[in-house]
Amino acid sequence: GENVEQHPSTLSVQEGDSAVIKCTYSDSASNYFPWYKQELGKGPQLIIDIRSNVGEKKDQRIAVTLNKTAKHFSLHITETQPEDSAVYFCAASNTNAGKSTFGDGTTLTVKP
Amino acid sequence: DGGITQSPKYLFRKEGQNVTLSCEQNLNHDAMYWYRQDPGQGLRLIYYSQIVNDFQKGDIAEGYSVSREKKESFPLTVTSAQKNPTAFYLCASSFQEGTGYTFGSGTRLTVV
Repeated sequence: GENVEQHPSTLSVQEGDSAVIKCTYSDSASNYFPWYKQELGKGPQLIIDIRSNVGEKKDQRIAVTLNKTAKHFSLHITETQPEDSAVYFCAASNTNAGKSTFGDGTTLTVKP
Repeated sequence: DGGITQSPKYLFRKEGQNVTLSCEQNLNHDAMYWYRQDPGQGLRLIYYSQIVNDFQKGDIAEGYSVSREKKESFPLTVTSAQKNPTAFYLCASSFQEGTGYTFGSGTRLTVV
């Protein structure tokens, strides 16, 4: 089955700096890669996703890049703000799998 | 407004009792999922269902049971066979695998 590794497990940045979280996956059949943000005591929320036919996708301050050859994808947050502090999860899936495989999460802390 | 509702938000039960967690969605999603999250940990899949009257075991199904009699509803029963049931339980839904998940706000179960 699919295996997703996420790094780092914790990340602390100064407000205004950039943050990068990386994930690797094992199943070359995976073709959909979402990222979720989980605030304390709440359920995760989808913030951005990318499909295997695209190399990069941006939405304001967040972007995701995908390298299919190396089987890794990354979340980039620019101009970080304290409200970006949360746990971020990456995931990988394909239509035939029936379920997504999640990374273990990255706790991002943005210091004012 | 469309969404996914988990109830109750907090639940306390005595050891040895079965307890059922509710999950309802009005998003017309075909697939539904149950995850368990322990403090500081990632998401572990308990059960998932891609269609009414059908469901599959996830990675940690022992001690849990589910039903999918209606498209909108996917209740999870935590049985007395679950050795360490105290956790945060998250329900999610999606149109199909290969699309993003919508998560509920979670149920925090405490067994004493």
